[in-house]
Amino acid sequence: GQQVMQIPQYQHVQEGEDFTTYCNSSTTLSNIQWYKQRPGGHPVFLIQLVKSGEVKKQKRLTFQFGEAKKNSSLHITATQTTDVGTYFCAGLMKTSYDKVIFGPGTSLSVIP
Amino acid sequence: DGGITQSPKYLFRKEGQNVTLSCEQNLNHDAMYWYRQDPGQGLRLIYYSQIVNDFQKGDIAEGYSVSREKKESFPLTVTSAQKNPTAFYLCASKEAEDYTEAFFGQGTRLTVV
Repeated sequence: GQQVMQIPQYQHVQEGEDFTTYCNSSTTLSNIQWYKQRPGGHPVFLIQLVKSGEVKKQKRLTFQFGEAKKNSSLHITATQTTDVGTYFCAGLMKTSYDKVIFGPGTSLSVIP
Repeated sequence: DGGITQSPKYLFRKEGQNVTLSCEQNLNHDAMYWYRQDPGQGLRLIYYSQIVNDFQKGDIAEGYSVSREKKESFPLTVTSAQKNPTAFYLCASKEAEDYTEAFFGQGTRLTVV
């Protein structure tokens, strides 16, 4: 079936180090969205990518959408303790009924 | 304030009992979704609805049921047929247009004992 995968599942970094999570879909996506869930919280929207090859930046966060619209990445430069949480990618799959499918998430721990 | 509300935040039920989780939104969103989240895992789609009186099964619909009688409301019933109901349940809503973000409720943590 349609799947969205993410790697790694867990990542522990020293504060100040960079972090990257990768998202891969088995099918072409109409768009990709990224969400962040803080421990004990609910997912909160970060950004959306729509165009093939699109790159967007939010301060220390850089998001990319692959040329084939099947993969995406989130890169955080110089992590801070406030970056702790689980990062999910979500893809819109156009079918008879549009489905928003979430990846399993990457849990980021930042060691001060 | 506009938003999406789930209640209750914590819910305890005895095994074999059905339980209904509430999800209400005043964002005027057409689409609503129910996800299940288990510890260390992602969000798995249970049911979704794009319009009133219509809904579709997600990837793990067995043991769950929903209704969408009103645009604002999308309650989820966890039935006794669900083998492992203890989990964190998240409701989300979004506009029907493709390129819009999903808004999540605070979630309901269901524990079945």
